[in-house]
Amino acid sequence: AQTVTQSQPEMSVQEAETVTLSCTYDTSESNYYLFWYKQPPSRQMILVIRQEAYKQQNATENRFSVNFQKAAKSFSLKISDSQLGDTAMYFCAFLTTSGTYKYIFGTGTRLKVLA
Amino acid sequence: DVKVTQSSRYLVKRTGEKVFLECVQDMDHENMFWYRQDPGLGLRLIYFSYDVKMKEKGDIPEGYSVSREKKERFSLILESASTNQTSMYLCASSARTGNSNQPQHFGDGTRLSIL
Repeated sequence: AQTVTQSQPEMSVQEAETVTLSCTYDTSESNYYLFWYKQPPSRQMILVIRQEAYKQQNATENRFSVNFQKAAKSFSLKISDSQLGDTAMYFCAFLTTSGTYKYIFGTGTRLKVLA
Repeated sequence: DVKVTQSSRYLVKRTGEKVFLECVQDMDHENMFWYRQDPGLGLRLIYFSYDVKMKEKGDIPEGYSVSREKKERFSLILESASTNQTSMYLCASSARTGNSNQPQHFGDGTRLSIL
């Protein structure tokens, strides 16, 4: 069975600094999707970034980028130039491409951006 | 933009009551999901549906049932509410493209308290 592990329950970063959130996963599948979702306090969960396992190039969305290491089964999220609005719970998620509909979520990392 | 609407942000019910949580999406998505979110446990899948009238159990279906009579609506039912079902409930939907499932879109969540 697939598992997703986020080993950092809480983190903090100074405004304008860079922070990296870690995520590791376990699977025997060769093709799958990985996601980072952001849940601001009392607000809706939204997709931050998505990576397809067959693509070697790391995904990037503005200040958000990933470091995808397929052999190590690692999928970390880097936030550059952190802003106060980045304060949120961040969830890493996994989805196989085998047709199953089940997404596997990590337990989340609570990130606080300090002014 | 995709909109996933959950009928209540906050709900207080009593032990033994039958509770209905409603979720509606406006993007004609095939897949719909119900999760519960508890601190330190991340998101746990209760039930999901990949088509009208189709449903599958997730990881923690005990004490819950679901209904999907129309494509846009997915209801979660607590047959006889208990205090251990006090939690945040999240609804999500996603599109299916061929054999590939797209990222999920989430509602705002319902914070349910069972007294």
